[in-house]
Amino acid sequence: AQSVTQLGSHVSVSEGALVLLRCNYSSSVPPYLFWYVQYPNQGLQLLLKYTTGATLVKGINGFEAEFKKSETSFHLTKPSAHMSDAAEYFCAVGPGSSGDKLTFGTGTRLAVRP
Amino acid sequence: EAGVTQSPTHLIKTRGQQATLRCSPISGHTSVYWYQQALGLGLQFLLWYDEGEERNRGNFPPRFSGRQFPNYSSELNVNALELEDSALYLCASSLGTSGDQETQYFGPGTRLLVL
Repeated sequence: AQSVTQLGSHVSVSEGALVLLRCNYSSSVPPYLFWYVQYPNQGLQLLLKYTTGATLVKGINGFEAEFKKSETSFHLTKPSAHMSDAAEYFCAVGPGSSGDKLTFGTGTRLAVRP
Repeated sequence: EAGVTQSPTHLIKTRGQQATLRCSPISGHTSVYWYQQALGLGLQFLLWYDEGEERNRGNFPPRFSGRQFPNYSSELNVNALELEDSALYLCASSLGTSGDQETQYFGPGTRLLVL
């Protein structure tokens, strides 16, 4: 079984400040990990993913995440927040290369203050 | 390259009616997934189709059903609608056994409102 915990349902940062969104996972198999972003009234857009290999993963819009197996974490960061980053962010875990469902966290809503 | 498309964008039904939601995957993708995003319940997996077959099903009653057509598009049917079926229904697609199966790309969703 797989599960995802996102700490903090709401995070607020100032424009230009560091963004840190936390994600911890549980998986009985080597996990594939994803971050998606959802803007209001839209679907999910893939930000980045970790499958195998390099543990620091870079994604779109300046975001990156680091897979830490010892901490079962996959936190999302961005050095400098922009107003356009305001959205809801979802961490998800998948069972691997064979496909099948993603298990999502409950989401973190990011607000960016001017 | 066109993304995942879903229709309709909005759907209003009354309790007891049936709803049909449609999804067209990215060209070349053979797997289609359906998720429900209901207020307060997060994103819940509904169904997975690959190569026309149902591969997995989430913890939903049998009145949620679907199918995948030979062109890999998919349909989600919800019978005997209940008020709690009101949600955003998201479709995603991925490459099947020929490639990157693990990455799912999402459509814009169909917002279903049951009155």
